[in-house]
Amino acid sequence: GAVVSQHPSWVICKSGTSVKIECRSLDFQATTMFWYRQFPKQSLMLMATSNEGSKATYEQGVEKDKFLINHASLTLSTLTVTSAHPEDSSFYICSASAPDRVGTEAFFGQGTRLTVV
Amino acid sequence: DAKTTQPNSMESNEEEPVHLPCNHSTISGTDYIHWYRQLPSQGPEYVIHGLTSNVNNRMASLAIAEDRKSSTLILHRATLRDAAVYYCILKGPGTYKYIFGTGTRLKVLA
Repeated sequence: GAVVSQHPSWVICKSGTSVKIECRSLDFQATTMFWYRQFPKQSLMLMATSNEGSKATYEQGVEKDKFLINHASLTLSTLTVTSAHPEDSSFYICSASAPDRVGTEAFFGQGTRLTVV
Repeated sequence: DAKTTQPNSMESNEEEPVHLPCNHSTISGTDYIHWYRQLPSQGPEYVIHGLTSNVNNRMASLAIAEDRKSSTLILHRATLRDAAVYYCILKGPGTYKYIFGTGTRLKVLA
């Protein structure tokens, strides 16, 4: 199947700093990618839809100025958590689809665990 | 988005079949039924999907009720590596935006 890779797999940052997470589609082009957040023992929560070449669409309750999304190419979307605080500590997961390659499923990255200290 | 309901947890003995149910009574005619699973500290992994007919692949089988208001994921022989949270998701046409429910945490006993 198609491969979606996230980097880094885990990151620790100090409170008040910003951290960038990358999501790459390695063997296909993705015009749309999605970012999710998952707290311990909870399900995935959709944060935003990342559209190549245009602004991201954020779900209700997600602060767009805090979670900056850039989708500058067909294979890369980035999520920047700005002015991170301990409550932003979570597991961040991206997904992408390759409708011209395989079936109707989406492919997920391995996730990035962010810890803010 | 149509909602799905799954049991919070299930247990199975190793090498026995497992039937994971999902209710989706508000499913629309164009919604596909997708199943993903998530192993600890990993992103979700595609398992199987279907529209109306039952489906089989190397990982599992998907049985869809005739009225499409429920479905069952079948793992034919559970292994310890199948221990995961299994999510049943309805996906509309033309979108890859998934709304995850609570899923079923499957525990496989040796």
